[in-house]
Amino acid sequence: DVKVTQSSRYLVKRTGEKVFLECVQDMDHENMFWYRQDPGLGLRLIYFSYDVKMKEKGDIPEGYSVSREKKERFSLILESASTNQTSMYLCASSLADPLSGNTIYFGEGSWLTVV
Amino acid sequence: GQNIDQPTEMTATEGAIVQINCTYQTSGFNGLFWYQQHAGEAPTFLSYNVLDGLEEKGRFSSFLSRSKGYSYLLLKELQMKDSASYLCAAVKAAGNKLTFGGGTRVLVKP
Repeated sequence: DVKVTQSSRYLVKRTGEKVFLECVQDMDHENMFWYRQDPGLGLRLIYFSYDVKMKEKGDIPEGYSVSREKKERFSLILESASTNQTSMYLCASSLADPLSGNTIYFGEGSWLTVV
Repeated sequence: GQNIDQPTEMTATEGAIVQINCTYQTSGFNGLFWYQQHAGEAPTFLSYNVLDGLEEKGRFSSFLSRSKGYSYLLLKELQMKDSASYLCAAVKAAGNKLTFGGGTRVLVKP
């Protein structure tokens, strides 16, 4: 079974802190994604990566950055956390071509509260 | 651009049928996913439609009409465990990224 593991399930951070959310997948997937999920807004794409050291902005990249130094690991970085970044963050991965029916697999989610 | 709409909430009775509609206006559209998400858990894959028509998988079926920009997920013989959010997501031909609707919360009552 594909496994996407997010390092922290629940975090509480202070405004202005630097926050790292780590994600590791064990299926040699090319694509990795970071989404945030908020009530009434659904999942919104922050950043995605289709290869090591490659990244592309999603729909809401402001206030975030990412790092993909190894194929299996995709990190989301909040340089200076703010209260409006309190949310549930979901990491996902997929093979290079989801059009063939390969699905996107999600991690369990990381609940971040910024106080 | 991409705009995906689905109802916010639906309620149905155990044993009944519920149809969750999803409309999309996605440039370069190339396929539509449905995911199920229980509260506090990760979304899990239900179906993927590329061609027009109905795809059936046990109690769950998904339909797509590309010309109408419309899909639905049909849940039959509802069970209490089907209470969850159902997420519709469109994929573009290029970029390999999914855009999600806001999700439909389905509540199954005894």
